[in-house]
Amino acid sequence: NAGVMQNPRHLVRRRGQEARLRCSPMKGHSHVYWYRQLPEEGLKFMVYLQKENIIDESGMPKERFSAEFPKEGPSILRIQQVVRGDSAAYFCASSPYRVSGNTIYFGEGSWLTVV
Amino acid sequence: AQRVTQPEKLLSVFKGAPVELKCNYSYSGSPELFWYVQYSRQRLQLLLRHISRESIKGFTADLNKGETSFHLKKPFAQEEDSAMYYCALSGGSNYKLTFGKGTLLTVNP
Repeated sequence: NAGVMQNPRHLVRRRGQEARLRCSPMKGHSHVYWYRQLPEEGLKFMVYLQKENIIDESGMPKERFSAEFPKEGPSILRIQQVVRGDSAAYFCASSPYRVSGNTIYFGEGSWLTVV
Repeated sequence: AQRVTQPEKLLSVFKGAPVELKCNYSYSGSPELFWYVQYSRQRLQLLLRHISRESIKGFTADLNKGETSFHLKKPFAQEEDSAMYYCALSGGSNYKLTFGKGTLLTVNP
């Protein structure tokens, strides 16, 4: 089992461009979580998705951010019209079912830099 | 609201010395507490959780509800313990973890 795979690992975007971050959960996992880590901060929950459904997006910024987890393919976190403040590490995690942190497995993260 | 505080941003010890990484939390209910470790830009890995009361890589942590603390301890630090350590809490919405800001532990030879 390859673990949670995220790509790209590093992404550089100019202000105003779009950023797409992909996350392939572990095999057999149908629950995906996205967390963001701003510089000098801890990880903050953004969104929880199941296949084709957004379960909880309470941590998502109201504008420019969206997430999906289609029936086929990876989960995608999309940031439109990026600004410098979006520069952060974005971590994806997955679990086989909806449980607490003991069975959530994290990916290696995607580092977004907005220039 | 739930909150996790790790008061030390950086902690440096010598090999063989005891180490304690502090974690305090704020939560009105019965929390689940965890320690995660991240080695040099690798993925976060679960180190231990308070429910299991186990020792991983020589680390232990005891939940002190009176002091609302979950400090991570190891009696003899090793150089390979150098990493970023995050304390995390899981409350009512048990899929949503609240993380502290992390403590960067450096173990010097």
